[in-house]
Amino acid sequence: EVQLVESGGGLVEPGGSLRLSCAASGFTVSDYWMHWVRLTPGRGLVWVSRLSSNEDIANYAESVQGRFTSSTGHAKDTLYLQMSGLRADDTAVYYCARGIAGTSVAFDLWGQGTMVTVSS
Amino acid sequence: QSALTQPRSVSGSPGQSVTISCTGTSSNIGAYNYVSWYQHHSGKAPKLMIYDVTERPSGVPDRFSGSKSGNTASLTISGLQAGDEADYYCCSYAGTYTFRVFGGGTKLTVL
Repeated sequence: EVQLVESGGGLVEPGGSLRLSCAASGFTVSDYWMHWVRLTPGRGLVWVSRLSSNEDIANYAESVQGRFTSSTGHAKDTLYLQMSGLRADDTAVYYCARGIAGTSVAFDLWGQGTMVTVSS
Repeated sequence: QSALTQPRSVSGSPGQSVTISCTGTSSNIGAYNYVSWYQHHSGKAPKLMIYDVTERPSGVPDRFSGSKSGNTASLTISGLQAGDEADYYCCSYAGTYTFRVFGGGTKLTVL
């Protein structure tokens, strides 16, 4: 079955770090552009980052630039999001999403999300 | 505040049609034909319903359709069913700096 499963969320204090994982099955993450998107009650969905299929391009939303880093694992079946300098406004459900193949820019596969809570 | 503006909620009775609007600017929706729509049932993975303004992925019923005029995109759901009750989010490509912008989401209630 083709799916994405996130893990690694939890409660972390402001200024702390956390690494999220996104395990892919049924396909190889390094064959696609992969994204992180977060959901907060007040703002809805917000795009966080994207990583190119060969990892030579990584882009981030201004709000996380310099604090978050996206990468893939050695086996190329897992996407990671390393988060540091966490702030209260980073509290959200984090989803990984696959960029649709071809020339479009939509996300055709999402995980079920992992909750990150930043609080003291 | 989200970059794209959607109504907070819409509702309709089974069998009826509803349209959800998504208003952006000339820097996102107005500039590109890359609007997509996602259905989200709480606690589940969001699902792609429409991409490239009007295209439906395989498996999405033709009751779902998309359109765009100027800086506003729309999702129309005809023949409403109970299972359509969910949150719907629009998304647009926004260039090589902002990349993607989303709407704040619209809660669809099937009465």
